[in-house]
Amino acid sequence: DTGVSQDPRHKITKRGQNVTFRCDPISEHNRLYWYRQTLGQGPEFLTYFQNEAQLEKSRLLSDRFSAERPKGSFSTLEIQRTEQGDSAMYLCASSHPSGENEQFFGPGTRLTVL
Amino acid sequence: GQNIDQPTEMTATEGAIVQINCTYQTSGFNGLFWYQQHAGEAPTFLSYNVLDGLEEKGRFSSFLSRSKGYSYLLLKELQMKDSASYLCAVRESGGYNKLIFGAGTRLAVHP
Repeated sequence: DTGVSQDPRHKITKRGQNVTFRCDPISEHNRLYWYRQTLGQGPEFLTYFQNEAQLEKSRLLSDRFSAERPKGSFSTLEIQRTEQGDSAMYLCASSHPSGENEQFFGPGTRLTVL
Repeated sequence: GQNIDQPTEMTATEGAIVQINCTYQTSGFNGLFWYQQHAGEAPTFLSYNVLDGLEEKGRFSSFLSRSKGYSYLLLKELQMKDSASYLCAVRESGGYNKLIFGAGTRLAVHP
């Protein structure tokens, strides 16, 4: 297993368009997280899945954002009607339920909204 | 409320030792993590503290004082490749393991 993967790595879109990002966690990691990071800031929590259940959502996740993890494996994050303020790095992380529960991050999807 | 503070920038010399401090005020506490992040890359896990004291991992050590809401990351024998941002993150108790991150400390290592 090569770690958490995310696709695409970069996305440029026009304001008002919809975008969808995919995250494939490390196999056997049943916990999956989405974060958003802007320049010069630390990652901000967006949402958390345990298996296929979405157990927590941040207030940052407006109704334009939706995330799914239909089979408890990969996850998708969709942003509808994108705005320039959505421009950021979207990071996915996964963790195993045992041990220290450290989160392993993927390379991220950099979104630019023009 | 939630507040995690760490210095914005630090500089150090190759071969030296540097200490990056982090103070936190969060709703409950269930562990503190340090991550390293090179520019344009994902954060990578460095260390984890849940009990008071020092955890050592090679050139990196991390210390925690829960009563003071304080942690530090100690980097020894600095190398140029250690130039990166260092993120302090707290996992709150009672939640679902989400991490609350500080803004990060940008460390520049000079020859």
